[in-house]
Formats: sequence, C-alpha cells, structure tokens
Amino acid sequence: ETGVTQTPRHLVMGMTNKKSLKCEQHLGHNAMYWYKQSAKKPLELMFVYNFKEQTENNSVPSRFSPECPNSSHLFLHLHTLQPEDSALYLCASSQDLSTDTQYFGPGTRLTVL
Amino acid sequence: KQEVTQIPAALSVPEGENLVLNCSFTDSAIYNLQWFRQDPGKGLTSLLLIQSSQREQTSGRLNASLDKSSGRSTLYIAASQPGDSATYLCAVFGRDFGNEKLTFGTGTRLTIIP
Repeated sequence: ETGVTQTPRHLVMGMTNKKSLKCEQHLGHNAMYWYKQSAKKPLELMFVYNFKEQTENNSVPSRFSPECPNSSHLFLHLHTLQPEDSALYLCASSQDLSTDTQYFGPGTRLTVL
Repeated sequence: KQEVTQIPAALSVPEGENLVLNCSFTDSAIYNLQWFRQDPGKGLTSLLLIQSSQREQTSGRLNASLDKSSGRSTLYIAASQPGDSATYLCAVFGRDFGNEKLTFGTGTRLTIIP
C-alpha cells in the first residue's frame, strides 16, 4: 500500500472552490492512472499517463484537469465541481502501459457540497 | 463495449467455510483478468492476475480460474477467516473502443461471520 500514496485522504469542498489531489508512486513505474469510484458503480478510468504524456481521456468533464510533471507524480486539479462528483478518487501505477498489474493508492474521499 | 458483472453483490458465510465468487465478462478478447480486494474506504490490493493463456492462478488460500471462451472467472477462497471480509473486485484488461484499459465489475461484498 505504501508504494502509491495519495493526499489528502479526505476533502470537502464547495462548488466554487479550486483544489488539487496529489498522487505519488515510489515503485519506479512509467504509467499512472486516475480512477473514479462512485457508490454502486464500477471503477471508471478517467486519465492515463505514460512517461508523463497523457494517452487517454475517457470523456472526462473539463472541470477535472490532470497534470503529470514527472513519472512519479500525478495531480488532479478540481474546479467548479458538482455534487455528483462526490466519490472516491483512486490513483494507480503500473510498470508499463500493457498487461502489468496496477498498484493502487488508498484514494481521496471527495465530498462536494 | 466490455461489461463485467459480479454476482452476488453481497455474501455472508460462517468462518471456516470454502466459498466461490463469480465474475463474467461480455467480450472474451482480453489480455488478462485480475481479482482485487478493497477494504472499506481504502484502495485496491491486487490478489491474483491470470493471463489470457492461463486457466488458473493460486496464492495461498486463494485460487482463481479463467474460462475465456465462456467469459467467466471464479475466485475460490478456502477455509475463510474474518480477515477475508472485504469487497472483491474483478477486472479484465483488454481493448475497449480502441483503448487498452481495465474494466471493473461492481464487486462482491464478502462478510465472514466469526
């Protein structure tokens, strides 16, 4: 579990706030991912980065903005969110963008008021 | 579009019993299938990964099988313990709308009764 860390673990924000979620992996992996987990729904892949380059954006609204300054760090910038964006946001990493096992962080529980 | 289904959504069994969790997927063109465990409010821990060419994988008391042609996988847990209580997620890695990604089921919430 300590291979991928996420901060903060819990976040409450209003719809007009701007906040950022941070993910850091200590595994020397090249690929990093953001997932959204809502109640009673499957995990949804949001963004994929490989060697710091975004390779996938699964039709995510522009109020979510990812940033990957290096292959160890991944951010998710949030602005003007909606209450339905409340969810557990999980970060993961894998050695490569292939069939490797993905290692997940503990997640950030986000509540939008 | 790949869809992954896990039935039942919740399961309670007495400690010591053996149990089977089920997973089905609609598109058999997958690279691998993974079983994860998720404890309440926490991230996912990978339990077993089965490549598409394999039929099963074992780790301790866990055994996962894969029948790619029928789109099914099972996770067998032997001699269940209270510490096994968690949500178990099945995910398949394959190509979906041109992108390679993990597609998850909604999970089975397992409770082991002491």
